[in-house]
Amino acid sequence: KAGVTQTPRYLIKTRGQQVTLSCSPISGHRSVSWYQQTPGQGLQFLFEYFSETQRNKGNFPGRFSGRQFSNSRSEMNVSTLELGDSALYLCASSPAPSGPYEQYFGPGTRLTVT
Amino acid sequence: DQQVKQNSPSLSVQEGRISILNCDYTNSMFDYFLWYKKYPAEGPTFLISISSIKDKNEDGRFTVFLNKSAKHLSLHIVPSQPGDSAVYFCAASAVQTGANNLFFGTGTRLTVIP
Repeated sequence: KAGVTQTPRYLIKTRGQQVTLSCSPISGHRSVSWYQQTPGQGLQFLFEYFSETQRNKGNFPGRFSGRQFSNSRSEMNVSTLELGDSALYLCASSPAPSGPYEQYFGPGTRLTVT
Repeated sequence: DQQVKQNSPSLSVQEGRISILNCDYTNSMFDYFLWYKKYPAEGPTFLISISSIKDKNEDGRFTVFLNKSAKHLSLHIVPSQPGDSAVYFCAASAVQTGANNLFFGTGTRLTVIP
């Protein structure tokens, strides 16, 4: 089975712009979660989607949003980018919304905000 | 508030010896625990997990131990190999709440010296 794929792998944006990141889960996996990794805060949960519905949300401002499509692919959007949004954004998929199930991660999108 | 803590940012071990990575958690609702390995420029790779109904789980060279009363888990790698050099994250989730999100520690960088 192909793993979780994320596009693009690298992105450079300017403060105030917006960005959309894409994630394709493992075939058959219906739950997609997003995480932000920064050197200071480690890996932090952003939100989770299942059946096109956001099931769970972490402690991030409303500038961070996402959606899931009927084929389970997911996108994450960050509006009005700030320097502090520079991070590695990781997408993870699992077979179902509640487990226990392992989550399988993609390679991430490295976002740099200048 | 860091609910999962890895207090050792780094660990160096000789090849062939045992590596022991430690993790503590504070939330008594956590009932499923995982270890991930991460190489630079890649997403975390799932290694091994343990449910709170167990106190030990083995998979080849990797064994995870859970001490619920101490809210402590550890990952043992025996024997350690140079290819094990990576950052190791422990993660926890509260499956009983129906949530799927993972809470991560800040990671321990393991270096296995040939």
